[in-house]
Amino acid sequence: DTGVSQDPRHKITKRGQNVTFRCDPISEHNRLYWYRQTLGQGPEFLTYFQNEAQLEKSRLLSDRFSAERPKGSFSTLEIQRTEQGDSAMYLCASSYEREQYFGPGTRLTVT
Amino acid sequence: KQEVTQIPAALSVPEGENLVLNCSFTDSAIYNLQWFRQDPGKGLTSLLLIQSSQREQTSGRLNASLDKSSGRSTLYIAASQPGDSATYLCAVFFGNEKLTFGTGTRLTIIP
Repeated sequence: DTGVSQDPRHKITKRGQNVTFRCDPISEHNRLYWYRQTLGQGPEFLTYFQNEAQLEKSRLLSDRFSAERPKGSFSTLEIQRTEQGDSAMYLCASSYEREQYFGPGTRLTVT
Repeated sequence: KQEVTQIPAALSVPEGENLVLNCSFTDSAIYNLQWFRQDPGKGLTSLLLIQSSQREQTSGRLNASLDKSSGRSTLYIAASQPGDSATYLCAVFFGNEKLTFGTGTRLTIIP
């Protein structure tokens, strides 16, 4: 069990650029979640997959955000035309039942 | 609206003392509650998961309790150590496929 991994760990981008993050869940976990965390706040839910199906999306996930989980394995989160307000830690979690296990996160800084 | 609150936002205690962190939540119809630890700039580490049918869970020096009727959970840390310094997050699974987090309590153990 290698845990949840995320790549990259840090990303600095200029406003208007597109970025893509990857999450590799624990291998036997069928559920995968994306959260966003800003400084001093708890994580906020963005979206959720069960196997390859995206079952729920938060209102926080604007049209500039898209997430995929092809073949029910790893997942990608893409942000198009980044804005300074997108600067945050993006956390991925996976679960088999209900206990969620989190990765180390990707810290995005939009300049 | 389903909300999770953690008070205080920050807490400092001398090494060796026992301490209690508090979490309150609206809506007693919860499925489970998780306590996490987060070190600065890092991801979340799951500490304890309490199912809705349970009253408490223990792991080493940590004990978490759950009182659904009053909408409260506590995390008890015995014999605190400097290595316990971190932010502790409470998260509730209300059954809608996502965790709802509090804003955390930043704990500092003074050597």
